[in-house]
Amino acid sequence: NAGVTQTPKFRVLKTGQSMTLLCAQDMNHEYMYWYRQDPGMGLRLIHYSVGEGTTAKGEVPDGYNVSRLKKQNFLLGLESAAPSQTSVYFCASTASSGSLYEQYFGPGTRLTVT
Amino acid sequence: GEDVEQSLFLSVREGDSSVINCTYTDSSSTYLYWYKQEPGAGLQLLTYIFSNMDMKQDQRLTVLLNKKDKHLSLRIADTQTGDSAIYFCAESRNDYKLSFGAGTTVTVRA
Repeated sequence: NAGVTQTPKFRVLKTGQSMTLLCAQDMNHEYMYWYRQDPGMGLRLIHYSVGEGTTAKGEVPDGYNVSRLKKQNFLLGLESAAPSQTSVYFCASTASSGSLYEQYFGPGTRLTVT
Repeated sequence: GEDVEQSLFLSVREGDSSVINCTYTDSSSTYLYWYKQEPGAGLQLLTYIFSNMDMKQDQRLTVLLNKKDKHLSLRIADTQTGDSAIYFCAESRNDYKLSFGAGTTVTVRA
């Protein structure tokens, strides 16, 4: 049981390049999330999904797109990277039952845009 | 995380107690959480408290909730070097989303 995994762990992009971050979970969770973490700002929600085939915008969605084609995977895309997207990106998932929304986090992807 | 506020840094001597404070704004929050992030890792749930409770104790951890003032605190007794980490306060509503504070970096000195 690997929990939540993210690939890649590190990436350096040039301004204007594109990339996709992959998140996978093996806990059969319905809900999945993408956050970015910046110093002094905590975690900010980029996009989230409440089930396979669904996505919704979070707090800071501009410049990002997501897809949830399979229940276990949640992809985050950057179409044209900008230096302001330099950050650490975390994926998380949670089960849909109950009201205790314990989110399980991946180890993060450190992205630098030059 | 603008709905949840916490101080950014705390330095504590090994063996002393640490107290991390947090204020939140949404009185309809069902649960309030403390997550811990160790260097280079993702967040892990440390403890939580249901909104109708005032206090929860779990080994060295004590969570206090003051609903009137919307204030949450985490006390770590006998702080150890392994407690050095970033601690995030978070609140949840009924929409499966969490709102996180900016995180408090706790440094334990010998």
